[in-house]
Amino acid sequence: RKEVEQDPGPFNVPEGATVAFNCTYSNSASQSFFWYRQDCRKEPKLLMSVYSSGNEDGRFTAQLNRASQYISLLIRDSKLSDSATYLCVVGSQYSSASKIIFGSGTRLSIRP
Amino acid sequence: DAGVTQSPTHLIKTRGQHVTLRCSPISGHKSVSWYQQVLGQGPQFIFQYYEKEERGRGNFPDRFSARQFPNYSSELNVNALLLGDSALYLCASSLDGTPFNEQFFGPGTRLTVL
Repeated sequence: RKEVEQDPGPFNVPEGATVAFNCTYSNSASQSFFWYRQDCRKEPKLLMSVYSSGNEDGRFTAQLNRASQYISLLIRDSKLSDSATYLCVVGSQYSSASKIIFGSGTRLSIRP
Repeated sequence: DAGVTQSPTHLIKTRGQHVTLRCSPISGHKSVSWYQQVLGQGPQFIFQYYEKEERGRGNFPDRFSARQFPNYSSELNVNALLLGDSALYLCASSLDGTPFNEQFFGPGTRLTVL
């Protein structure tokens, strides 16, 4: 089983729709959670951090469920510019060593 | 301010050769991590360095090695290249190397092994 799993998609939704992705992780000791966005042939960029209390940034909402070991990303009123691959990232620290695991990504395509 | 820079941007090598990839972090960042990304997959962690010391190592063979210099720049070396080493190699810098801070990625080096 992969340490971080995502539905690869692609999700193909119309502009203005609401779309949600989930990501599951296997290490219950994981301490940090992020969503990164990666455009085609570009480097990943941080979209948002994910906190236990949930957090919202404009049209984007991220949630963490530690009991079920998953994080989610909700995009409301989707725009054409939201088309990208969304990477779930889970981090943990053991003594002085860090471990950061990326999921394989979920491809999102917004159609006009 | 300059972001993370990587060189070269593209590289073509043949099997068995050696390659060195270079990365300069954002000014003030002391940690550099290296990732390998093959098409259709997320970045796979190779190494992390903080203050010139190795702080993490992913599941890669000993053909892969890295180091960090006093100015916090870093090199990734791959020996005895295999076809399967063809990928985008990403460097990311962060303030302190903990998993709690944002990682800033460079544009990557696209390596093709023939």
